[in-house]
Amino acid sequence: KQEVTQIPAALSVPEGENLVLNCSFTDSAIYNLQWFRQDPGKGLTSLLLIQSSQREQTSGRLNASLDKSSGRSTLYIAASQPGDSATYLCAVLGVNQGGKLIFGQGTELSVKP
Amino acid sequence: NAGVMQNPRHLVRRRGQEARLRCSPMKGHSHVYWYRQLPEEGLKFMVYLQKENIIDESGMPKERFSAEFPKEGPSILRIQQVVRGDSAAYFCASSPPSSSYNEQFFGPGTRLTVL
Repeated sequence: KQEVTQIPAALSVPEGENLVLNCSFTDSAIYNLQWFRQDPGKGLTSLLLIQSSQREQTSGRLNASLDKSSGRSTLYIAASQPGDSATYLCAVLGVNQGGKLIFGQGTELSVKP
Repeated sequence: NAGVMQNPRHLVRRRGQEARLRCSPMKGHSHVYWYRQLPEEGLKFMVYLQKENIIDESGMPKERFSAEFPKEGPSILRIQQVVRGDSAAYFCASSPPSSSYNEQFFGPGTRLTVL
C-alpha cells in the first residue's frame, strides 16, 4: 500500500532563503509525482509534474527532483518570497493505485519578510 | 478551455439534510475523481468515475455517500443525511481519456459546512 510522507510538517524561513521540501513514498512503481500549492481555504494549484522516466522538472524559481529507486522527491524553492507562504502538497500516482492520487500531509511554509 | 468547475463553492447544510456537489470536468476529459480534505488532514481519494461507470469507489464511506457521472451533464457527489463529520472541502479532478495515469487537473473545491 502506497504511503506518502512529507517532511517537515511546517517550515519558517526568512525572505530570500533557498529551501528544500521533502517527499518520500513507499512503493517505487509510480507513473508520476506531482507537487501542488494550497493557500488557506483555497483549491490546489499544480506546480510541477514529474513523469517516472524524468529526474527533474523546473518552473521559474521551483525545481522538483525525483529519485524513484529510493522513493524520494524534493521541491527546491530559490530566493523565497513572502508570497510563497502556503501549504505544499506532494501526490503520487502509482502503478498499483488504479488511477487515484495518494497525497502527503503537506508542508506548511511561512516566509517572513 | 475552461478548467474543472465545481459548484457550489460553499454549501451549508443542517444535520440530516442532503448535499449535492457538482463537478464539470475539463472539455474532452472523461475521467473524474473526487477527493475529500477533512479539517487539518490531507486529501484522501474517494471515488474514480468514467462516463456512466464507477471504476473505483474504495475511498467512499459505505453509507450515505454516492457518486455518478452520467453520459450527459456533470458528475454528482451526493451525501444523504449529512452529519457534522461530513464538513470538509471536496475536490474534483479530471483527466483525459487516453489513460488513467495522466495528470489530474483540480477544481476549486466545494466547502461543505454541516450545522
